[in-house]
Amino acid sequence: QKEVEQDPGPLSVPEGAIVSLNCTYSNSAFQYFMWYRQYSRKGPELLMYTYSSGNKEDGRFTAQVDKSSKYISLFIRDSQPSDSATYLCAMSGHDYKLSFGAGTTVTVRA
Amino acid sequence: SAVISQKPSRDICQRGTSLTIQCQVDSQVTMMFWYRQQPGQSLTLIATANQGSEATYESGFVIDKFPISRPNLTFSTLTVSNMSPEDSSIYLCSEVRGTTEAFFGQGTRLTVV
Repeated sequence: QKEVEQDPGPLSVPEGAIVSLNCTYSNSAFQYFMWYRQYSRKGPELLMYTYSSGNKEDGRFTAQVDKSSKYISLFIRDSQPSDSATYLCAMSGHDYKLSFGAGTTVTVRA
Repeated sequence: SAVISQKPSRDICQRGTSLTIQCQVDSQVTMMFWYRQQPGQSLTLIATANQGSEATYESGFVIDKFPISRPNLTFSTLTVSNMSPEDSSIYLCSEVRGTTEAFFGQGTRLTVV
């Protein structure tokens, strides 16, 4: 079993829809949770970072962490074609070594 | 945010040769890491680049194959040695700042022929 499991997708949604992305993890040592966006042939870009259970909002993005269930989510509201990318969840303990999910490719149709 | 520069951005190399990838960050950072992203896959940690001491490698990665240097707090190199086609991947440098947010460079796309 992988430490981090991410819903595989791919996801295709119409413009303006809400995108919901999810990951589960098994390692209780994970304390820091991140979501990255990766466009084709580019490095991962940090979207959201959180370290506590609950919701964190930044513009159209909301990151949700439930440590008791070992479950994290990313919601993208009012999705745009420019949001089309691969989204990666990542998490680490106090050693800062990241474990990544497999990634979910999202396509937002205009 | 952070500015992380990697060189080269891409290369095509002959099997049996070695390639050294450079990573420069815009300010002193505590932690630097090297990751690999194989075609169609997610990122896997290769090693932690420790300033002034030997790198710490993850399971499945060894110093002879992936020697790493970190001479100061803003620079690191990763060498991919004695390359084979299985080494064709994107290699990414990452740095972590005080808040534990991890930032990545644009990566080096390596093709071994």
